[in-house]
Amino acid sequence: DTEVTQTPKHLVMGMTNKKSLKCEQHMGHRAMYWYKQKAKKPPELMFVYSYEKLSINESVPSRFSPECPNSSLLNLHLHALQPEDSALYLCASSQPFGAGELFFGEGSRLTVL
Amino acid sequence: SQQGEEDPQALSIQEGENATMNCSYKTSINNLQWYRQNSGRGLVHLILIRSNEREKHSGRLRVTLDTSKKSSSLLITASRAADTASYFCATGPPGGSRLTFGEGTQLTVNP
Repeated sequence: DTEVTQTPKHLVMGMTNKKSLKCEQHMGHRAMYWYKQKAKKPPELMFVYSYEKLSINESVPSRFSPECPNSSLLNLHLHALQPEDSALYLCASSQPFGAGELFFGEGSRLTVL
Repeated sequence: SQQGEEDPQALSIQEGENATMNCSYKTSINNLQWYRQNSGRGLVHLILIRSNEREKHSGRLRVTLDTSKKSSSLLITASRAADTASYFCATGPPGGSRLTFGEGTQLTVNP
C-alpha cells in the first residue's frame, strides 16, 4: 500500500475544462513532486515543492498550475489542456534534503479529449 | 534530456533465472536509485546506492555502481513471475533534489 494518495485515479476532460489533481501524504515529508509519464517512457519531472515553496519548475506550460496549501497536500490545477497532455501524472514525496528516496502515489490517469 | 540510459530495453526470462539490467549516466551523482513500476501503477523504490559505495544487497537484489564508468547494474536473483515490471534507474546530482530517470527496462518473467 502506498502512503501517498492521489485522486482521482482517472480523469477525462475536454480542452476547455478546469480540473484539479490532488495528492496527500502523512509521512512528514517536506518535499513534494509532480511527475508526468507517457506510455512506455520514464517519469519526467514537472515541479518540486520544498517546505511548501515552489523550488523547481521544469519550464512547464502555464496551463498546469501547482499549489501546495500545506505540508501534506499538493494540487495540480489543469486548464485549457491539449490532447498531448494525456498521461499518467505521478505525485511523490521525500525528505527535503538531497536527492533521496521518493515515495510515489499510484498516479492519476488523465485523458484530454 | 534524460540522464540515464538503460539496457536492455526489454528482457524476457524464465522463472528461477537471474535478471541483469544496466544503467549508464552522464554527469556526477550523489546517489543512484532503482525503482520498479508495475503496469499503470506508481513507482516503488527498490534500493539506493551512494556514490562512495560499490555494491549493495537487499534480499534478492544486488546493485553495483562503477563511478569511473558511470554505470550501474541491478541483478535480481531467482526471479518470480511477480517480478514482471518496468525497472528504472534514477540519478541524483550532488547537492540537488532533482532525480532524473533512465529509459527503463521492461522485464517479463515467464512462469
